[in-house]
Amino acid sequence: SQQGEEDPQALSIQEGENATMNCSYKTSINNLQWYRQNSGRGLVHLILIRSNEREKHSGRLRVTLDTSKKSSSLLITASRAADTASYFCATSSGGSYIPTFGRGTSLIVHP
Amino acid sequence: EAGVVQSPRYKIIEKKQPVAFWCNPISGHNTLYWYLQNLGQGPELLIRYENEEAVDDSQLPKDRFSAERLKGVDSTLKIQPAELGDSAVYLCASKGRDSPGELFFGEGSRLTVL
Repeated sequence: SQQGEEDPQALSIQEGENATMNCSYKTSINNLQWYRQNSGRGLVHLILIRSNEREKHSGRLRVTLDTSKKSSSLLITASRAADTASYFCATSSGGSYIPTFGRGTSLIVHP
Repeated sequence: EAGVVQSPRYKIIEKKQPVAFWCNPISGHNTLYWYLQNLGQGPELLIRYENEEAVDDSQLPKDRFSAERLKGVDSTLKIQPAELGDSAVYLCASKGRDSPGELFFGEGSRLTVL
């Protein structure tokens, strides 16, 4: 079963534009993570935000978390062609360290 | 520092044949995960190990899938016999003891069952 649901399923933008992806989940969480996956490769961890945090930044990435709405967003600013990948949110709940992944957003950045 | 290593990267087999995947996690990582990823989907957990103990294997189809992590380091995932629906990417990931949740993934093993 997949806890998180990313939206949109696919996103196509021009280089230099910002990309925003959203993640909604159903049950309360300990933390939420975002991962990137290039085609045919493994997943790469981008950022982790804890349930008591509202916003985190890492380079061109900005993640927000709204636990009242059970949603998170990932913003990539000034996108580059190299940002083309699938992006997944993953939530962890209770006392276990088992991230549960959504279906992902496929991002294409055109040069 | 070497990352998570998986082999083989690709495997093509006939249905009903056995197949095995191997994973070497990052040195010192005590938690190891096997995930299955179907095309266009997110990873789904098959089994999680804490050291050599399987602590969550409820999603592992035990009639045909088995896994082991001898000595709490390398792990092997086996399918016997394989079915057409097993075609997918099998991802291994590991996590350090003090990490709040960041997983390090291998490149995956892509299985095609004909």
